[in-house]
Amino acid sequence: AQTVTQSQPEMSVQEAETVTLSCTYDTSESDYYLFWYKQPPSRQMILVIRQEAYKQQNATENRFSVNFQKAAKSFSLKISDSQLGDAAMYFCAYRSGLNYGGSQGNLIFGKGTKLSVKP
Amino acid sequence: DSGVTQTPKHLITATGQRVTLRCSPRSGDLSVYWYQQSLDQGLQFLIQYYNGEERAKGNILERFSAQQFPDLHSELNLSSLELGDSALYFCASSVLEAGNTIYFGEGSWLTVV
Repeated sequence: AQTVTQSQPEMSVQEAETVTLSCTYDTSESDYYLFWYKQPPSRQMILVIRQEAYKQQNATENRFSVNFQKAAKSFSLKISDSQLGDAAMYFCAYRSGLNYGGSQGNLIFGKGTKLSVKP
Repeated sequence: DSGVTQTPKHLITATGQRVTLRCSPRSGDLSVYWYQQSLDQGLQFLIQYYNGEERAKGNILERFSAQQFPDLHSELNLSSLELGDSALYFCASSVLEAGNTIYFGEGSWLTVV
């Protein structure tokens, strides 16, 4: 079975600085997708960024980027120029690809990292 | 706005009662998922439907049931409610049953008193 591990329960960053959240996963599948979701105090689940395992290039979305190390099964999230609105719980998640769909199609989440941003 | 609509947003009910949570997926999405998030727990996968058929079950209690209708909306039924069922219930949807992005609704807050 696939597992996702976030080893940092809490992180803190100064406004305008850069922070990296760690995530590792375990799978024997070759076709899969990785995601970072943000959950602010409102508790809404917001997609931050997505990475397809078959792509070597790291995904980037504005101030958010990932460092995807497939061999090491590592998927970290870098937030640049941190803003107060970035304060939230961040969840790393794994999803099987179409080749393994059906019963394995749901998201498998890590336990989350709570990020606080200091002004 | 993810395009996934959940109703009601908030619900307070007594122990032993039954409630129904409703979800409308994003336009074009065939797969619907239900997740439960308690205050001190992470996201627990409950159940997945794809085009009306049950695809996967997670940690869903026997007191809970769900279905996806021909118009693709879904309902999660929670019965014989207990205090421990108080949680945020998310519905999410995706186009396919695996692979691509899953989008979440804003959740339904259930408080059992």
